[in-house]
Amino acid sequence: IQLTQSPSSQSASVGDRVTITCRASQGVASYLAWYQQKPGKVPKLLISGISTPQPGVPGRFRGSSSGTDFTLTINNLQPEDVATYYCQQIYGFPLTFGGGTKVEI
Amino acid sequence: QLQLQESGPGLVTPWETLSLTCTVSGDSMSTNNYFWGWIRQPPGKGLEWIGSISYTGKTNYNPSLSGRVTISADTPSNQFSLKLSSATAADTAIYYCAGRRPYNHYDPWGQGTLVIVSS
Repeated sequence: IQLTQSPSSQSASVGDRVTITCRASQGVASYLAWYQQKPGKVPKLLISGISTPQPGVPGRFRGSSSGTDFTLTINNLQPEDVATYYCQQIYGFPLTFGGGTKVEI
Repeated sequence: QLQLQESGPGLVTPWETLSLTCTVSGDSMSTNNYFWGWIRQPPGKGLEWIGSISYTGKTNYNPSLSGRVTISADTPSNQFSLKLSSATAADTAIYYCAGRRPYNHYDPWGQGTLVIVSS
């Protein structure tokens, strides 16, 4: 199952809304997650099951879907949100990641 | 709290076997129903799933690695391992081990270990 993320990079201002899309080549049910990887750090599970935030994740991060299109929205972008964001599916093997979206300010 | 830590050589000679171990702490591999996986990230690039072993011992591998991968578990020692044969420069990457519950995504992850394939 291929996951195509867009855009590959995005520059925005503090307070902006950022939208990242992940398109799956086939259905993955609800087995789609988003990870955040800050520069030089380990990827961190941000949202699982399309829209369920992990404990401690700020409310400005929201996941949603429409068919095989999945969206991560960051509302009110903050400086600490600078990172690369990856989607991942665990619906079928081999497990796959999207190519990543680098968010800059 | 479950924690993972990778260990192994940071430098591998081309065409040799890359071998890494992940030590699990905070819980027993023999009692928790986790899937244990390996994920890598070439410098400056994205994440690639290598493969995993389930709590039943079933393995799944990424076909893109052309059958070079073996993942095994040593449950009494609370460790699982990765072997990647015939390593080349293209296998240079940060290698992460990670665990996930059934029907859930990878959390936690190890800190990652950089492996360079070079003579």
